[in-house]
Amino acid sequence: EDKVVQSPLSLVVHEGDTVTLNCSYEVTNFRSLLWYKQEKKAPTFLFMLTSSGIEKKSGRLSSILDKKELFSILNITATQTGDSAVYLCAVEARGNYGGSQGNLIFGKGTKLSVKP
Amino acid sequence: DVKVTQSSRYLVKRTGEKVFLECVQDMDHENMFWYRQDPGLGLRLIYFSYDVKMKEKGDIPEGYSVSREKKERFSLILESASTNQTSMYLCASSLRGWYQETQYFGPGTRLLVL
Repeated sequence: EDKVVQSPLSLVVHEGDTVTLNCSYEVTNFRSLLWYKQEKKAPTFLFMLTSSGIEKKSGRLSSILDKKELFSILNITATQTGDSAVYLCAVEARGNYGGSQGNLIFGKGTKLSVKP
Repeated sequence: DVKVTQSSRYLVKRTGEKVFLECVQDMDHENMFWYRQDPGLGLRLIYFSYDVKMKEKGDIPEGYSVSREKKERFSLILESASTNQTSMYLCASSLRGWYQETQYFGPGTRLLVL
């Protein structure tokens, strides 16, 4: 059965700290891994990773994928209170059905709290 | 462990057909959500509900309606399916509130409209 496991489930840090969020997966026919930030109603897209070893960066956030070891990490440097959110990892598996899209499997998320 | 189930994993419908997507959660959650996921666009919120018989439009409600007659069940309805509604539909639920409350997602329904 396909699964995505995120760790830790929750994390409390202080402003200025650097955090690393983990996402491991077991998925048949891996296509891509996606990171989302969930603050209010709908998760906000952060990164999509398809290739191993290529770091994607956006400001203080960065992410990398290891397709051999089947995991990804999301790093946040110099954390701010505005980074407090639930961070979701999702893996898209290739589907034979419908052509270009497959199944999307979500992890349970990591709840990050950044204290002033 | 929270379980969110969706009635179908795959559906094929024809243009103009009425389509029902069902979602059931077993943890007595107040909030339920319907999203669609398309390549390059991330998750987009269609509708959400914070209580029985209550609903609010999300970011892309056009062409969709919803029904929440019971707390555990949230239905998404496509009154007249169109090809641009071919997508992956994801249902989610959360206990209460909005901010930082974990949403639990179902397995998704892959809809193909011909």
